[in-house]
Amino acid sequence: NAGVTQTPKFRILKIGQSMTLQCTQDMNHNYMYWYRQDPGMGLKLIYYSVGAGITDKGEVPNGYNVSRSTTEDFPLRLELAAPSQTSVYFCASTGGDNTGELFFGEGSRLTVL
Amino acid sequence: QKEVEQNSGPLSVPEGAIASLNCTYSDRVSQSFFWYRQYSGKSPELIMSIYSNGDKEDGRFTAQLNKASQYVSLLIRDSQPSDSATYLCAVNMYSGGGADGLTFGKGTHLIIQP
Repeated sequence: NAGVTQTPKFRILKIGQSMTLQCTQDMNHNYMYWYRQDPGMGLKLIYYSVGAGITDKGEVPNGYNVSRSTTEDFPLRLELAAPSQTSVYFCASTGGDNTGELFFGEGSRLTVL
Repeated sequence: QKEVEQNSGPLSVPEGAIASLNCTYSDRVSQSFFWYRQYSGKSPELIMSIYSNGDKEDGRFTAQLNKASQYVSLLIRDSQPSDSATYLCAVNMYSGGGADGLTFGKGTHLIIQP
């Protein structure tokens, strides 16, 4: 009954470092998403994927990269971390045609110092 | 630019009263509408979805949609302290289950006063 699993839950990075946020879902969902949420703000879409091998940019893709080699996994790569990337990152998935009922992971809190 | 607007609050409501949360959206082609609840430090969870004009009720929650006015609302009856959370309005701008995700508002912080 895992659903959407994100790792790590917390991470502190230094400016210029790189890292990958992992996201795995066991619901066989085709659609997967990465959002970021800054304090007092809603969720902003970074990247999304409609299936293995297919990814596309969302509203705020700069400074990030994604890949989707399998249905289950959708990692988010941060290159050359900047303080502006300090945020909480949520991975989400949905299946079928109903792309409104998103299932979210628990979130990854990233601080860049 | 797709926009979803919500009053950030906080909205303070006495226990047992009706809490009314509002949301407007900018894109007339929007087809599906959602309310997510987010407790502090937690991930959002879906509580209501609505696709056609009118009201949709589920327990103590009622979602209302008026596409002509580009307006969505959420009513919570008999408010409980456990309803204290941030409520995110989300809109899918495409029909047929568009794949490019939802556009979220900034959320309304609701406080239920015992």
